[in-house]
Amino acid sequence: QLQLQESGPGVVKPSETLSLTCTVSGGPISSTYYFWGWIRQSPGKGLEWIATIHSSGTTYYSPSLMGRVSLSIDAPKSQLSLSLRSLTAADTAVYYCARDEGKNTWFYYWGPGTLVTVSS
Amino acid sequence: EVVLTQSPGSLSLSPGDRATVSCRASQSVSSSNLAWYQHKPGQAPRLLIYAASSRASGIPDRFSGSGSGTDFTLTISRLEPGDFAVYYCTQYVNSLIFGPGTKVDI
Repeated sequence: QLQLQESGPGVVKPSETLSLTCTVSGGPISSTYYFWGWIRQSPGKGLEWIATIHSSGTTYYSPSLMGRVSLSIDAPKSQLSLSLRSLTAADTAVYYCARDEGKNTWFYYWGPGTLVTVSS
Repeated sequence: EVVLTQSPGSLSLSPGDRATVSCRASQSVSSSNLAWYQHKPGQAPRLLIYAASSRASGIPDRFSGSGSGTDFTLTISRLEPGDFAVYYCTQYVNSLIFGPGTKVDI
């Protein structure tokens, strides 16, 4: 059974950079078929797609976050990483990593999510 | 830019009722990338339907999806207590877009 687990700092100061890691177990992160995505939900709001990455390094970014976000993949460690720069309170959210079952299709496996609060 | 609109914004129903959630795209989109998710507080979203009408693994047949072009529908034939949640449609058109969600509550 594939499992994903997000980890991160919990609280980050405004203007700083958020770094999150997603550890994948129970299946290969380097499969050429699947992509891996990040999605977030701000308090009281809906789900928002952030970005998606393939093991080849190909990435797709949300237009609203492009320029502030970058993804990377570390296959030997079975980890995905998200970096989000110039944080504001609007970036406070639960951040999820998930496996994309194709290329920008749908997410079947999800991590439980990690809450990130942007606050001084 | 494609916009997804869901209606109604919320539904108040009872166990055993039928729930119908609509997802409308601002322009014709491919059915192959249209998906529906269920999201409960404190939990990860759960994939229900993919490619507009295919049920994801482990999803009971009370859940069904239909539609094409600009209009898509998620139907829950007989609501069970665990079905009260927020439902989102999604579509990829240059970027992955989530609809605003429909809350189904008692």
